[in-house]
Amino acid sequence: EADIYQTPRYLVIGTGKKITLECSQTMGHDKMYWYQQDPGMELHLIHYSYGVNSTEKGDLSSESTVSRIRTEHFPLTLESARPSHTSQYLCASSDLMGRETQYFGPGTRLLVL
Amino acid sequence: SQQGEEDPQALSIQEGENATMNCSYKTSINNLQWYRQNSGRGLVHLILIRSNEREKHSGRLRVTLDTSKKSSSLLITASRAADTASYFCATDGWGSQGNLIFGKGTKLSVKP
Repeated sequence: EADIYQTPRYLVIGTGKKITLECSQTMGHDKMYWYQQDPGMELHLIHYSYGVNSTEKGDLSSESTVSRIRTEHFPLTLESARPSHTSQYLCASSDLMGRETQYFGPGTRLLVL
Repeated sequence: SQQGEEDPQALSIQEGENATMNCSYKTSINNLQWYRQNSGRGLVHLILIRSNEREKHSGRLRVTLDTSKKSSSLLITASRAADTASYFCATDGWGSQGNLIFGKGTKLSVKP
């Protein structure tokens, strides 16, 4: 079992609300990632970070933002949620080069009404 | 894009049978990885095969890589009901900054 945690696991909110999805890892990994996955579909990388104070946009454009103030913590924020943001969000981490295993959290299922 | 494409999209077999899933990709890679995802959960790493390797084993898993055809296969032998999950290949391509590109996955159902 990987030591990477996501909260909340499920979230139902109304349109226009601000939300923050939490992700923490205790493996000391420098590189962290956020993926978006619709049911039965592939994962799309939306954000990643090489370490503290580093954030990069992924392949899929997203209205969300991320921050990396501490190595172990990589929260994702949506300033104003919309129904189009309904999806599963998966957090992962790996060593700095990212050329080995990625460890995934259990995911947050977000439903925006 | 160097996206991996798995084939078949869905596979249903009986317990004890072997399951074979294929993955094709488009550009040169450093390595290719296979992950499993149980319904509604995160992904779990299964096996990594580097571009200079042709075959790798881990327990009941056997992975092959053919870089000339840009394809890989995952074989699960003597499948169990607990193997029911979606299986994704992911490629670490040249110039990807170590980021992985995931395929659409194969949904495997193993019936007891």
